Amino acid sequence: ETGVTQTPRHLVMGMTNKKSLKCEQHLGHNAMYWYKQSAKKPLELMFVYSLEERVENNSVPSRFSPECPNSSHLFLHLHTLQPEDSALYLCASSQDGTGVSPLHFGNGTRLTVT
Amino acid sequence: RKEVEQDPGPFNVPEGATVAFNCTYSNSASQSFFWYRQDCRKEPKLLMSVYSSGNEDGRFTAQLNRASQYISLLIRDSKLSDSATYLCVVRNTGKLIFGQGTTLQVKP
Repeated sequence: ETGVTQTPRHLVMGMTNKKSLKCEQHLGHNAMYWYKQSAKKPLELMFVYSLEERVENNSVPSRFSPECPNSSHLFLHLHTLQPEDSALYLCASSQDGTGVSPLHFGNGTRLTVT
Repeated sequence: RKEVEQDPGPFNVPEGATVAFNCTYSNSASQSFFWYRQDCRKEPKLLMSVYSSGNEDGRFTAQLNRASQYISLLIRDSKLSDSATYLCVVRNTGKLIFGQGTTLQVKP
């Protein structure tokens, strides 16, 4: 496998559920990101990890909890979400976390909170 | 004012047409600029970086105007496969800020 892969592709969860999104990159990159894309809104940066250290937490509610066990894997743990959290969640990686090198995105997890 | 602004469109053009999109940014200290392309229900992908002197990649030309704080993307000889949303991206102090995107529909 190459590139950035995300699972699951689609997820429907109730407000009391706990679920996790998974992202894996096979590009040898040192930085990984979570973005949220809602309809008719720009991509919103949620979290940045560089060399497995969290370097950015963009005022994201605590019901979203990221985890980066190594430079190839990134998780987003979800609990007690709200319907307005329904969106496309995109994982990305880049060579470094400076913003200079381009982002490589996974194909996203489309989340629906009921 | 939004950090990065784009006209969402859609821009509907016939095949073979030339079309241009602009994107304005609010932070004059912005350091780097990019155009990404996002197909329907797919992830964004880097189309091209935008350099100060302007740059071209085949039918695509990107330009930067620092004085007026905008970047542009020109597509010549539009193809049906160019139909997508084009995202303007600006780097400020290490963070990449995305615009809302401009949707292009190329019609036969």
